[in-house]
Amino acid sequence: DSGVTQTPKHLITATGQRVTLRCSPRSGDLSVYWYQQSLDQGLQFLIQYYNGEERAKGNILERFSAQQFPDLHSELNLSSLELGDSALYFCASNKGGAGQETQYFGPGTRLLVL
Amino acid sequence: DAKTTQPPSMDCAEGRAANLPCNHSTISGNEYVYWYRQIHSQGPQYIIHGLKNNETNEMASLIITEDRKSSTLILPHATLRDTAVYYCIVRPYNQGGKLIFGQGTELSVKP
Repeated sequence: DSGVTQTPKHLITATGQRVTLRCSPRSGDLSVYWYQQSLDQGLQFLIQYYNGEERAKGNILERFSAQQFPDLHSELNLSSLELGDSALYFCASNKGGAGQETQYFGPGTRLLVL
Repeated sequence: DAKTTQPPSMDCAEGRAANLPCNHSTISGNEYVYWYRQIHSQGPQYIIHGLKNNETNEMASLIITEDRKSSTLILPHATLRDTAVYYCIVRPYNQGGKLIFGQGTELSVKP
């Protein structure tokens, strides 16, 4: 158990819909990372937040957005869903300072868009 | 970030050492080698990292060649629970931010 929690574990929805994935980082961690893992693209970095502020952005679609709240939990919002958005979404956390490189991953949310 | 090359798959007998190679010929002087693994669609798990000296922890050993262009992750006594995809990642230590995952090596530990 990494200490990172993600909800829900599974999500089934239809094209065009909007969903919210939630992540609670390890106690004391300030930085949250979101990754997407699809069959054809592998594990890809989406976005990073540090203490409520966006710090880095990867291959995140404009239909996707994220935020980190004052209690440090984070949410990833996916809208206008397409079949190709079906994937595993992982959240990771660490303290986020320079040199704090180990990222601790949650169990993921499996999204299926029908 | 430096690019890494790993074999797509490997087999290992249970109880034997598993040696997973990684080539990173374009690695820079300030870049560390990190290893993570992913067991059957679970979240990736950190294993070990190193700069130029060999490293060992309770999970594995990391051997980095003197020219730092390649490394080997060693699981000394592989068990069935070590069956996973192993990712070798090279990146600077003093920068936060994303991990760039390649395709990794799918290790199958067989009884």
